[in-house]
Amino acid sequence: DAKTTQPNSMESNEEEPVHLPCNHSTISGTDYIHWYRQLPSQGPEYVIHGLTSNVNNRMASLAIAEDRKSSTLILHRATLRDAAVYYCIGGAGNMLTFGGGTRLMVKP
Amino acid sequence: NAGVMQNPRHLVRRRGQEARLRCSPMKGHSHVYWYRQLPEEGLKFMVYLQKENIIDESGMPKERFSAEFPKEGPSILRIQQVVRGDSAAYFCASSLSRGGTGTRNEKLFFGSGTQLSVL
Repeated sequence: DAKTTQPNSMESNEEEPVHLPCNHSTISGTDYIHWYRQLPSQGPEYVIHGLTSNVNNRMASLAIAEDRKSSTLILHRATLRDAAVYYCIGGAGNMLTFGGGTRLMVKP
Repeated sequence: NAGVMQNPRHLVRRRGQEARLRCSPMKGHSHVYWYRQLPEEGLKFMVYLQKENIIDESGMPKERFSAEFPKEGPSILRIQQVVRGDSAAYFCASSLSRGGTGTRNEKLFFGSGTQLSVL
């Protein structure tokens, strides 16, 4: 199974942009890259996913490197409610396999 | 327009008892997934079911754990003779079609989980 690598934690100031990186160097050419986040005491929630092109939705943007070995989740203006663990998932076969994720802390 | 419903929210059992965790998928979803999350760890896939069928149980412990998703009613994750190591948060997710990465790009919707505590 392909593995993803993310920093354990990151800090951001409120109202500033946040760039959360993820390496997925062994991803296959047809695997989508998914991002989920888990707020405290809640189940994960879908954030965004993409294959090759950059993607935007109301929650975030996803920038995918041209070689697809890495991607970056972009929160354009972090709020306190964005404090969560962010999981990058790619190339794990049929099931979503969650790694350790990045714990994002947002400072007021 | 309810999301994925899990109950109970909290479940306390003594060692040796049985635990039954229930999951009602989103309306119209026929694919259900169970995950376990130990304290301070990521989610581990356990089992994937489609109505009345177990599709993938590669993450299920070989003993004491079972799952079902009957034609009518919620999906049930059953843990027999619980031990302290079973204490964890158990999350259920559902999808409209087969989810996960790979060529399928369906997204999963998660419930709020059941926190199982074994005394």
